[in-house]
Amino acid sequence: DAGVIQSPRHEVTEMGQEVTLRCKPISGHDYLFWYRQTMMRGLELLIYFNNNVPIDDSGMPEDRFSAKMPNASFSTLKIQPSEPRDSAVYFCASSFGGAGFEKLFFGSGTQLSVL
Amino acid sequence: AQRVTQPEKLLSVFKGAPVELKCNYSYSGSPELFWYVQYSRQRLQLLLRHISRESIKGFTADLNKGETSFHLKKPFAQEEDSAMYYCALRPLSGNKLVFGAGTILRVKS
Repeated sequence: DAGVIQSPRHEVTEMGQEVTLRCKPISGHDYLFWYRQTMMRGLELLIYFNNNVPIDDSGMPEDRFSAKMPNASFSTLKIQPSEPRDSAVYFCASSFGGAGFEKLFFGSGTQLSVL
Repeated sequence: AQRVTQPEKLLSVFKGAPVELKCNYSYSGSPELFWYVQYSRQRLQLLLRHISRESIKGFTADLNKGETSFHLKKPFAQEEDSAMYYCALRPLSGNKLVFGAGTILRVKS
């Protein structure tokens, strides 16, 4: 298994543009998480899904952010419109909760720069 | 609400010196605590978890419920320990992890 796969690795866009980040979790994992990493705040949980259903989106900064998980093998995080303060590394992670939580498996992240 | 505090943004030590990365948490119940590490150009990965009570790469961490701390320690730092370290908490109910702000460890030769 290639692990959690995120795309793109890097995204540079202009303020006001729509940005879509993609994630493919590890096959068989039933939990998917979106985190944002900044120097000031570290790793912030944005939203997480269980069996494709959003469980907790309290970390989503504002209405400009939305996330979907249409099936067990794909999730997107969308920012529309994007702003410079959204610049960060966005991580996707997955885990299997069936036998009790063990650990998160992280993707390589998407480095987002909003100019 | 759950909260994890890592007071040091950067910790710089010499090779062979002891290391202690601090982590404090606030949670009303009995949490599960973890340390994750991100080496340069690698993915964030689990280093250790308190329920395992194991030593990984020479690192140990003891959960102190009285002080609500879970400090990461290593008696003799090595250059390859240089990385970003995150402390994380999992509430008793639920499968999400709440992370601290992270500490960059730099081990100098």
